[in-house]
Amino acid sequence: DSGVTQTPKHLITATGQRVTLRCSPRSGDLSVYWYQQSLDQGLQFLIQYYNGEERAKGNILERFSAQQFPDLHSELNLSSLELGDSALYFCASSVRGEGYNEQFFGPGTRLTVL
Amino acid sequence: SQQGEEDPQALSIQEGENATMNCSYKTSINNLQWYRQNSGRGLVHLILIRSNEREKHSGRLRVTLDTSKKSSSLLITASRAADTASYFCATDGNPGANSKLTFGKGITLSVRP
Repeated sequence: DSGVTQTPKHLITATGQRVTLRCSPRSGDLSVYWYQQSLDQGLQFLIQYYNGEERAKGNILERFSAQQFPDLHSELNLSSLELGDSALYFCASSVRGEGYNEQFFGPGTRLTVL
Repeated sequence: SQQGEEDPQALSIQEGENATMNCSYKTSINNLQWYRQNSGRGLVHLILIRSNEREKHSGRLRVTLDTSKKSSSLLITASRAADTASYFCATDGNPGANSKLTFGKGITLSVRP
């Protein structure tokens, strides 16, 4: 158990819908990362927050947005969902958010868009 | 785009044998990390090697880094069935952009009992 929690574990929804994925980092970790993992694209970095502020951005679509709240939990919002958004979405956290920091991954949310 | 590219894509070995996995990357890095992922689960950090280090050990794991060739290898000695998983290398991008990790596509390791 990494100490990072993600809810829900599974999510099935329809195209065009909007969903929110939630992540609670390990106690004491200030940085949260979001990743998307699919068979064709592999593990793609989406976005990173550090202590409530956006720190780095990756291949995140404009239809997706995220935020980190004062209690350090984070939410990833996915809107106007398409079939291709079906994937495993992982949240990870680290102490400070530097590249040399070990990242601790949550169990993931499996999103299925029908 | 993927920074790290692992090879082989898949590896099948007998329990007790050694498994060697390679990772190549394109741009200069500060650090390189290896992670393991059991099927459908989150990634677990294995080891980090800094750009000024050449070799690092952790238990049955040995990682090497050759910055001149922009490559790293992960050796698992005396493999066990429980080592069956996907293995990813991750680099932290260009010096200065020090927070983002870029993962390769991963290597699927199967250890036959």
